[in-house]
Amino acid sequence: GNSVTQMEGPVTLSEEAFLTINCTYTATGYPSLFWYVQYPGEGLQLLLKATKADDKGSNKGFEATYRKETTSFHLEKGSVQVSDSAVYFCALITGSARQLTFGSGTQLTVLP
Amino acid sequence: NAGVTQTPKFRILKIGQSMTLQCAQDMNHNYMYWYRQDPGMGLKLIYYSVGAGITDKGEVPNGYNVSRSTTEDFPLRLELAAPSQTSVYFCASRPLGSPHEQYFGPGTRLTVT
Repeated sequence: GNSVTQMEGPVTLSEEAFLTINCTYTATGYPSLFWYVQYPGEGLQLLLKATKADDKGSNKGFEATYRKETTSFHLEKGSVQVSDSAVYFCALITGSARQLTFGSGTQLTVLP
Repeated sequence: NAGVTQTPKFRILKIGQSMTLQCAQDMNHNYMYWYRQDPGMGLKLIYYSVGAGITDKGEVPNGYNVSRSTTEDFPLRLELAAPSQTSVYFCASRPLGSPHEQYFGPGTRLTVT
């Protein structure tokens, strides 16, 4: 079956620090990979995605590269802002499945 | 467009009570989903629907029921509330042929005491 493992949080950073949130996966077939973000009191929003090996997804200064050889999709941002404070979820879907498989989420807090 | 709307935002139930969580979307999406999110955990799929009149179980369906009489609405029914159902419930939808992005509602926080 499919599974997603994320680094445990919470993660606390100072503004302008570099962010990495690790994500690795196990999947049958060739998954598409996603990062969703959940701001306080809101539902999840798609942040970025990559649908095949070596693709790089990017949005709002965040990036993640689909690494098939290491089955990873780590989220990075060069300089975080207080407004990036949220919970970040890594997720995947395979062609045979109809639903996303989510990781457990990583809480990020950015301090001014 | 309002997107995906959920009501109520918060609810406290006593053990054994019943309630329906409402979900509606105005994007004409075929697929709709119900997830629960427990503290420190990812989302777990309860039920989903691929269109009006068609529903199927997800990972954690026990204690819940759904119906899909229209494209827009996908209510989730709890018949006999239990403390284990204390959670935040999210409804989501996506269009046919686009498995990549699901659109989520703001959630319903349910406490069963």
